Amino acid sequence: GAGVSQSPRYKVTKRGQDVTLRCDPISSHATLYWYQQALGQGPEFLTYFNYEAQPDKSGLPSDRFSAERPEGSISTLTIQRTEQRDSAMYRCASSPRREGTGELFFGEGSRLTVL
Amino acid sequence: SQQGEEDPQALSIQEGENATMNCSYKTSINNLQWYRQNSGRGLVHLILIRSNEREKHSGRLRVTLDTSKKSSSLLITASRAADTASYFCATDAGNYGQNFVFGPGTRLSVLP
Repeated sequence: GAGVSQSPRYKVTKRGQDVTLRCDPISSHATLYWYQQALGQGPEFLTYFNYEAQPDKSGLPSDRFSAERPEGSISTLTIQRTEQRDSAMYRCASSPRREGTGELFFGEGSRLTVL
Repeated sequence: SQQGEEDPQALSIQEGENATMNCSYKTSINNLQWYRQNSGRGLVHLILIRSNEREKHSGRLRVTLDTSKKSSSLLITASRAADTASYFCATDAGNYGQNFVFGPGTRLSVLP
Protein backbone atom coordinates (compact mmCIF):
# COMPACT_ATOMS: atom_id res chain seq x y z
CA GLY A 1 0.00 0.00 0.00
CA ALA A 2 0.88 3.66 -0.13
CA GLY A 3 1.59 3.89 3.58
CA VAL A 4 1.24 2.05 6.86
CA SER A 5 -2.41 1.59 7.69
CA GLN A 6 -3.73 0.89 11.18
CA SER A 7 -7.20 -0.02 12.36
CA PRO A 8 -9.23 0.81 14.22
CA ARG A 9 -8.12 4.42 14.69
CA TYR A 10 -10.02 4.58 17.97
CA LYS A 11 -11.12 1.79 20.27
CA VAL A 12 -12.99 2.17 23.54
CA THR A 13 -13.43 -0.97 25.57
CA LYS A 14 -14.35 -2.03 29.05
CA ARG A 15 -11.81 -3.42 31.44
CA GLY A 16 -11.47 -7.16 31.07
CA GLN A 17 -12.36 -7.28 27.38
CA ASP A 18 -9.93 -8.45 24.70
CA VAL A 19 -8.94 -6.12 21.88
CA THR A 20 -7.13 -6.71 18.60
CA LEU A 21 -5.38 -3.99 16.67
CA ARG A 22 -4.37 -4.38 13.06
CA CYS A 23 -1.45 -3.07 11.04
CA ASP A 24 -1.07 -3.22 7.27
CA PRO A 25 2.54 -2.25 6.48
CA ILE A 26 3.97 -0.86 3.28
CA SER A 27 3.99 -3.75 0.85
CA SER A 28 7.33 -5.50 0.49
CA HIS A 29 8.65 -4.04 3.76
CA ALA A 30 10.50 -6.76 5.59
CA THR A 31 10.29 -5.47 9.12
CA LEU A 32 7.29 -4.46 11.18
CA TYR A 33 7.36 -2.84 14.61
CA TRP A 34 4.81 -2.24 17.35
CA TYR A 35 5.20 0.66 19.76
CA GLN A 36 3.12 1.97 22.64
CA GLN A 37 3.03 5.73 23.14
CA ALA A 38 1.62 7.47 26.18
CA LEU A 39 0.50 11.07 25.91
CA GLY A 40 3.45 13.43 25.90
CA GLN A 41 6.00 10.61 25.77
CA GLY A 42 8.10 8.96 23.14
CA PRO A 43 7.13 5.60 21.65
CA GLU A 44 8.05 2.56 23.74
CA PHE A 45 9.14 -0.56 21.87
CA LEU A 46 6.88 -3.59 22.19
CA THR A 47 7.98 -6.11 19.55
CA TYR A 48 9.07 -6.49 15.95
CA PHE A 49 8.87 -8.97 13.08
CA ASN A 50 11.19 -9.84 10.23
CA TYR A 51 8.61 -11.16 7.81
CA GLU A 52 6.78 -13.74 9.92
CA ALA A 53 9.57 -14.30 12.43
CA GLN A 54 9.36 -12.47 15.76
CA PRO A 55 12.95 -12.18 17.02
CA ASP A 56 12.27 -9.76 19.86
CA LYS A 57 9.19 -9.41 22.02
CA SER A 58 11.01 -8.17 25.07
CA GLY A 59 8.99 -4.96 25.20
CA LEU A 60 5.61 -6.61 25.62
CA PRO A 61 4.48 -5.51 29.12
CA SER A 62 2.92 -8.82 30.13
CA ASP A 63 1.70 -12.13 28.78
CA ARG A 64 -1.65 -10.46 28.11
CA PHE A 65 -0.01 -8.87 25.08
CA SER A 66 0.70 -10.88 21.95
CA ALA A 67 1.40 -10.11 18.31
CA GLU A 68 1.28 -12.09 15.10
CA ARG A 69 2.35 -11.68 11.51
CA PRO A 70 1.52 -15.12 10.10
CA GLU A 71 2.12 -14.44 6.41
CA GLY A 72 4.80 -11.82 6.77
CA SER A 73 2.59 -8.89 5.86
CA ILE A 74 -0.39 -7.81 7.99
CA SER A 75 0.14 -7.94 11.73
CA THR A 76 -2.19 -7.93 14.71
CA LEU A 77 -1.57 -6.92 18.30
CA THR A 78 -3.91 -8.51 20.81
CA ILE A 79 -4.37 -7.42 24.37
CA GLN A 80 -6.29 -9.86 26.54
CA ARG A 81 -8.19 -8.91 29.68
CA THR A 82 -7.52 -5.24 29.15
CA GLU A 83 -6.69 -3.00 32.09
CA GLN A 84 -6.98 0.76 32.41
CA ARG A 85 -3.19 1.10 32.30
CA ASP A 86 -3.27 -0.34 28.76
CA SER A 87 -4.89 2.91 27.56
CA ALA A 88 -2.44 4.44 25.10
CA MET A 89 -1.73 5.04 21.45
CA TYR A 90 -0.43 1.91 19.74
CA ARG A 91 1.76 2.65 16.76
CA CYS A 92 2.89 0.35 14.00
CA ALA A 93 5.88 1.04 11.77
CA SER A 94 7.51 -0.80 8.91
CA SER A 95 10.96 -0.66 7.40
CA PRO A 96 12.30 -2.00 4.14
CA ARG A 97 15.50 -3.26 5.72
CA ARG A 98 16.01 -6.30 7.90
CA GLU A 99 19.23 -5.13 9.44
CA GLY A 100 17.70 -2.39 11.55
CA THR A 101 19.58 0.29 9.68
CA GLY A 102 16.77 1.96 7.83
CA GLU A 103 14.14 4.51 8.59
CA LEU A 104 10.80 3.57 10.08
CA PHE A 105 7.53 4.48 8.39
CA PHE A 106 4.80 4.97 10.97
CA GLY A 107 1.07 4.61 10.71
CA GLU A 108 -1.36 7.05 12.30
CA GLY A 109 -1.84 4.76 15.27
CA SER A 110 -4.71 3.14 17.14
CA ARG A 111 -5.85 4.97 20.26
CA LEU A 112 -7.07 2.53 22.89
CA THR A 113 -9.14 3.67 25.84
CA VAL A 114 -9.97 1.15 28.54
CA LEU A 115 -12.79 2.21 30.83
CA SER B 1 14.60 2.78 30.55
CA GLN B 2 14.91 4.86 27.43
CA GLN B 3 18.20 4.99 25.56
CA GLY B 4 17.85 8.53 24.27
CA GLU B 5 17.04 11.66 26.19
CA GLU B 6 16.24 14.89 24.39
CA ASP B 7 17.01 18.28 25.78
CA PRO B 8 15.31 20.67 26.27
CA GLN B 9 11.91 19.15 26.98
CA ALA B 10 10.24 22.19 25.45
CA LEU B 11 11.47 25.06 23.30
CA SER B 12 9.66 28.17 22.13
CA ILE B 13 11.15 30.45 19.47
CA GLN B 14 10.10 33.11 16.98
CA GLU B 15 9.67 32.36 13.31
CA GLY B 16 12.96 32.83 11.47
CA GLU B 17 15.12 31.88 14.45
CA ASN B 18 17.16 28.70 14.65
CA ALA B 19 16.17 25.84 16.93
CA THR B 20 18.64 23.42 18.47
CA MET B 21 17.69 20.20 20.19
CA ASN B 22 20.03 17.74 21.79
CA CYS B 23 19.92 14.00 22.35
CA SER B 24 22.06 11.98 24.72
CA TYR B 25 22.25 8.22 24.83
CA LYS B 26 23.83 5.63 27.04
CA THR B 27 25.27 2.75 25.02
CA SER B 28 27.10 2.35 21.74
CA ILE B 29 25.02 2.76 18.62
CA ASN B 30 25.21 1.96 14.93
CA ASN B 31 22.98 4.80 13.86
CA LEU B 32 20.83 7.55 15.28
CA GLN B 33 17.67 8.91 13.73
CA TRP B 34 15.53 11.99 14.25
CA TYR B 35 11.76 11.98 13.84
CA ARG B 36 9.06 14.67 13.91
CA GLN B 37 5.55 14.24 15.24
CA ASN B 38 2.78 16.77 14.67
CA SER B 39 -0.01 16.89 17.27
CA GLY B 40 -0.24 13.19 18.02
CA ARG B 41 -0.02 12.16 14.38
CA GLY B 42 2.33 9.46 13.13
CA LEU B 43 6.05 10.02 13.41
CA VAL B 44 7.87 11.15 10.29
CA HIS B 45 11.50 10.30 9.65
CA LEU B 46 13.74 13.34 9.22
CA ILE B 47 17.32 12.15 9.01
CA LEU B 48 19.58 9.20 9.85
CA ILE B 49 23.21 9.55 10.84
CA ARG B 50 25.54 6.59 11.12
CA SER B 51 28.06 6.14 13.90
CA ASN B 52 30.97 6.81 11.53
CA GLU B 53 29.48 10.14 10.43
CA ARG B 54 29.90 13.42 12.30
CA GLU B 55 27.52 15.72 10.49
CA LYS B 56 24.69 15.48 8.02
CA HIS B 57 22.49 18.02 6.27
CA SER B 58 19.03 17.82 4.77
CA GLY B 59 17.47 21.08 3.64
CA ARG B 60 17.13 23.30 6.71
CA LEU B 61 18.15 20.45 9.02
CA ARG B 62 21.64 19.84 10.31
CA VAL B 63 22.45 16.87 12.53
CA THR B 64 25.70 16.28 14.36
CA LEU B 65 26.86 13.19 16.17
CA ASP B 66 29.58 12.95 18.80
CA THR B 67 30.04 9.31 19.70
CA SER B 68 32.69 10.13 22.31
CA LYS B 69 30.11 12.16 24.22
CA LYS B 70 27.24 9.90 23.20
CA SER B 71 25.26 12.88 22.00
CA SER B 72 23.61 14.29 18.91
CA SER B 73 22.09 17.62 18.05
CA LEU B 74 19.41 18.64 15.57
CA LEU B 75 19.51 22.19 14.24
CA ILE B 76 16.57 23.63 12.35
CA THR B 77 17.51 26.86 10.62
CA ALA B 78 15.16 29.70 9.66
CA SER B 79 12.28 28.07 11.52
CA ARG B 80 8.69 28.30 10.33
CA ALA B 81 5.39 27.97 12.15
CA ALA B 82 4.94 24.64 10.37
CA ASP B 83 8.00 23.31 12.23
CA THR B 84 5.94 23.31 15.43
CA ALA B 85 5.99 19.67 16.52
CA SER B 86 7.63 17.19 18.86
CA TYR B 87 11.04 15.95 17.84
CA PHE B 88 12.40 12.56 18.89
CA CYS B 89 15.75 10.90 18.56
CA ALA B 90 15.89 7.14 18.15
CA THR B 91 18.86 4.83 18.58
CA ASP B 92 19.36 1.23 17.61
CA ALA B 93 20.95 -0.03 20.85
CA GLY B 94 24.15 -0.78 18.97
CA ASN B 95 23.80 -4.48 18.27
CA TYR B 96 22.13 -4.23 14.88
CA GLY B 97 19.20 -5.29 16.91
CA GLN B 98 16.04 -3.71 15.78
CA ASN B 99 14.84 -2.47 19.07
CA PHE B 100 14.83 1.20 18.10
CA VAL B 101 14.59 3.20 21.31
CA PHE B 102 13.01 6.65 21.34
CA GLY B 103 13.57 9.44 23.80
CA PRO B 104 10.76 11.46 25.44
CA GLY B 105 11.04 14.20 22.83
CA THR B 106 11.45 17.95 22.59
CA ARG B 107 8.27 19.96 22.04
CA LEU B 108 9.10 22.86 19.71
CA SER B 109 6.78 25.82 19.33
CA VAL B 110 7.54 28.30 16.56
CA LEU B 111 5.61 31.52 17.06
CA PRO B 112 4.62 33.58 14.02
